[in-house]
Amino acid sequence: AQSVSQHNHHVILSEAASLELGCNYSYGGTVNLFWYVQYPGQHLQLLLKYFSGDPLVKGIKGFEAEFIKSKFSFNLRKPSVQWSDTAEYFCAVIPTSGTYKYIFGTGTRLKVLA
Amino acid sequence: NAGVMQNPRHLVRRRGQEARLRCSPMKGHSHVYWYRQLPEEGLKFMVYLQKENIIDESGMPKERFSAEFPKEGPSILRIQQVVRGDSAAYFCASSQRQGLDEQFFGPGTRLTVL
Repeated sequence: AQSVSQHNHHVILSEAASLELGCNYSYGGTVNLFWYVQYPGQHLQLLLKYFSGDPLVKGIKGFEAEFIKSKFSFNLRKPSVQWSDTAEYFCAVIPTSGTYKYIFGTGTRLKVLA
Repeated sequence: NAGVMQNPRHLVRRRGQEARLRCSPMKGHSHVYWYRQLPEEGLKFMVYLQKENIIDESGMPKERFSAEFPKEGPSILRIQQVVRGDSAAYFCASSQRQGLDEQFFGPGTRLTVL
């Protein structure tokens, strides 16, 4: 079955620390990959997406993610987090074989201490 | 530039009552998707609708749940005779085209069943 795993459910960091959130998916075919962020009380917003090309993708607010096909991974990174990055982060995939159903991970709650 | 609107943001119902969740897609979007997020889980696809048509309801429970997207007005997710297990966050998303197009999410409706 298709699935997305986010291994870190809760992460607490101090400001200026580096961030890496893991995302692995289980699917035999080609996928498009996404990271969404949900700030407290707000809607899900797209941070970045990967469809094809350079596997290192840069998104908004200094975030980037690297697609490693051999590892079925799409980890999210930020070199220096800020208090305003406190949010929940969701990894999602869509198989490219004509479907529209996002498959989401369980989310990672990030808390950044000022 | 209004995004996807959902109301109410919070809904409390007693067991056996009906819950109606509304979603207005982004302007120009004719594809609507509903997802449910149970506690400690990722978002799970429920149903995909275009105007006046249900395209895919494979993720929706067979009983008590229904969805519509009329020609005029918002999409409605209706839950009859709610039970405690229906307590969750319900997210609506919309897209301009089907398939791999990015879906834009609303803020969600948090349903609590007492």
